[in-house]
Amino acid sequence: GESVGLHLPTLSVQEGDNSIINCAYSNSASDYFIWYKQESGKGPQFIIDIRSNMDKRQGQRVTVLLNKTVKHLSLQIAATQPGDSAVYFCAEYTGGFKTIFGAGTRLFVKA
Amino acid sequence: KAGVTQTPRYLIKTRGQQVTLSCSPISGHRSVSWYQQTPGQGLQFLFEYFSETQRNKGNFPGRFSGRQFSNSRSEMNVSTLELGDSALYLCASSLNTGSEKLFFGSGTQLSVL
Repeated sequence: GESVGLHLPTLSVQEGDNSIINCAYSNSASDYFIWYKQESGKGPQFIIDIRSNMDKRQGQRVTVLLNKTVKHLSLQIAATQPGDSAVYFCAEYTGGFKTIFGAGTRLFVKA
Repeated sequence: KAGVTQTPRYLIKTRGQQVTLSCSPISGHRSVSWYQQTPGQGLQFLFEYFSETQRNKGNFPGRFSGRQFSNSRSEMNVSTLELGDSALYLCASSLNTGSEKLFFGSGTQLSVL
């Protein structure tokens, strides 16, 4: 069935270190992938996206890597800051006007 | 530009009642999607609307319904509430197809007692 899963439910990193959040997806036909960040009391907020014809995309302090061979997606956050503490979701557009979300990874940043 | 607005922010209902939640998308956005978020199930897709037409529906019982108006505003309704319907209901809008990034509101927190 359709699913987007995450390898780790929580991740704790030291301020200033790099963070890597991983995600596995199951629908090889998906052509658009997105990472969202959700802070307490708010809805998910777009961070970065990538289309299936790419394997890497960089934003400001964030990089998304896509490995279609093993159906794996990762989000890298450089120089992690306390403000990065949140739940991160990978999401997958499978067509049919429907985006599927993974279970989420909670990122804790230690000062 | 105003973001996605959801009302009310919090709701408390009892089993058997019904509830209507409202969502105003970002101006110019014509696609509205609804999600249910719970600690155990994460974000589950409910339905998507575009130009007043439901284009996709998630795996939820018929007690969950929605509609979209000509101004793109959307409502969702849950009838005969059950305890398990307690959740954060999120609305998201996008420009057109749903294959673009979604812009979410802060959600309506529904508690069913």
